[in-house]
Amino acid sequence: QVHLVQSGAEVRKPGASVKVSCKASGYTVTYHYIHWVRQAPGQGLEYVGLFNPTSGTTTYAQNFQGRVTVTGDTSTSTVYLELSSLRSEDTALYFCARSQTPTELDGFDVWGQGTVVTVSS
Amino acid sequence: DIQMTQSPSSLSASVGDRVTISCQASQAISNSLNWYQQKPGKAPKLLIYDAYILETGAPSRFSGSGSGTDFTLTISSLQPEDVATYYCQQFENLPAFGGGTKVEIQ
Repeated sequence: QVHLVQSGAEVRKPGASVKVSCKASGYTVTYHYIHWVRQAPGQGLEYVGLFNPTSGTTTYAQNFQGRVTVTGDTSTSTVYLELSSLRSEDTALYFCARSQTPTELDGFDVWGQGTVVTVSS
Repeated sequence: DIQMTQSPSSLSASVGDRVTISCQASQAISNSLNWYQQKPGKAPKLLIYDAYILETGAPSRFSGSGSGTDFTLTISSLQPEDVATYYCQQFENLPAFGGGTKVEIQ
């Protein structure tokens, strides 16, 4: 069965960095994009960026460029999201998700359970 | 960047009612449009992909239509378990979500 399992909750002070992991299992991880999406408390879904495991490339939403780094380790089937210069507005639930079709940018059919990141002094 | 606008932001309807949610893209996106259902405290669930294709396991009372810039999600007969927030998402280029529509039972 296909699963994405994320790391646990994190608390950071403003200005710090955080790194969240997403471990995939149950499918050939090199074929499907992995995406990051976040949701602030009581708010909607906001797209962060993606990792293409076939090419090893990343693409980020404009709002996050310069502060976000997404990396992947195909040997452990794990993708990482690192967000730096944290501010209170980054407090959110962060999800990873998989594109449903290999090598395609399409629907997100499998999601991680979410990781709460709290930024507070 | 392509912006997605959903309407209404919330709605309240009775069990058995037909419910429609609209989603508009800031530029043409062909049929590169997905719909998700999210219940409180849970990850979103893919309902409809490529604008009109029902995801495996999704109830047949859900349907999607549209292409270009205007899209619709329809629930043909609202059920209590459909209480959730629904999001559209384009994938013509880097994905982007609409603001969401919260559906409640009257």
